[in-house]
Amino acid sequence: EDQVTQSPEALRLQEGESSSLNCSYTVSGLRGLFWYRQDPGKGPEFLFTLYSAGEEKEKERLKATLTKKESFLHITAPKPEDSATYLCAVRILPFSGGYQKVTFGTGTKLQVIP
Amino acid sequence: EAQVTQNPRYLITVTGKKLTVTCSQNMNHEYMSWYRQDPGLGLRQIYYSMNVEVTDKGDVPEGYKVSRKEKRNFPLILESPSPNQTSLYFCASSFLNPGRGHNYGYTFGSGTRLTVV
Repeated sequence: EDQVTQSPEALRLQEGESSSLNCSYTVSGLRGLFWYRQDPGKGPEFLFTLYSAGEEKEKERLKATLTKKESFLHITAPKPEDSATYLCAVRILPFSGGYQKVTFGTGTKLQVIP
Repeated sequence: EAQVTQNPRYLITVTGKKLTVTCSQNMNHEYMSWYRQDPGLGLRQIYYSMNVEVTDKGDVPEGYKVSRKEKRNFPLILESPSPNQTSLYFCASSFLNPGRGHNYGYTFGSGTRLTVV
């Protein structure tokens, strides 16, 4: 069964304290891994897409990396405005046929303390 | 502004009373989808649509209906809501075959918080 697991569930950082969020996946037919940011009461906001192992994407203080079994979202010198829930999702093409499927992890809730 | 618009934002209803949650996008996306988000369970797909008149079930379709008569609209229908359908609902859209400068990432609506009593 395709699975996406994010860790930790929650993370509390001091402002400026760098860290990483993990997204591990066991899927067949991966066609992309996505990172989203979700603020309370709002819809998820797209951050990055990664397609192949070794690929990296950056945006401000965030950098996403991908291996064959997991992805990391590195946060460098975070600020309080980076506080949010970060969601990982994988897009797969089922071997059994049919259209692409996107499966989400349950997220990491990040809190950055001033 | 490129966006997905859901209405209503909040809805309280009684068991068995039919309701519709609307979703509209202005980005000419072919793909649209409905998700529900519950604590500890994450986002789970209800239904999706690859284009006009093409819809299919996601992971949790029971108790829901959808239609796609126009490219921009994808309403979610609860014919006879029950308390276990109390949840936060999101509509999302994306390109099916993104060209240069685009990608497969979803654009989400702001959500509809539904309570069924």
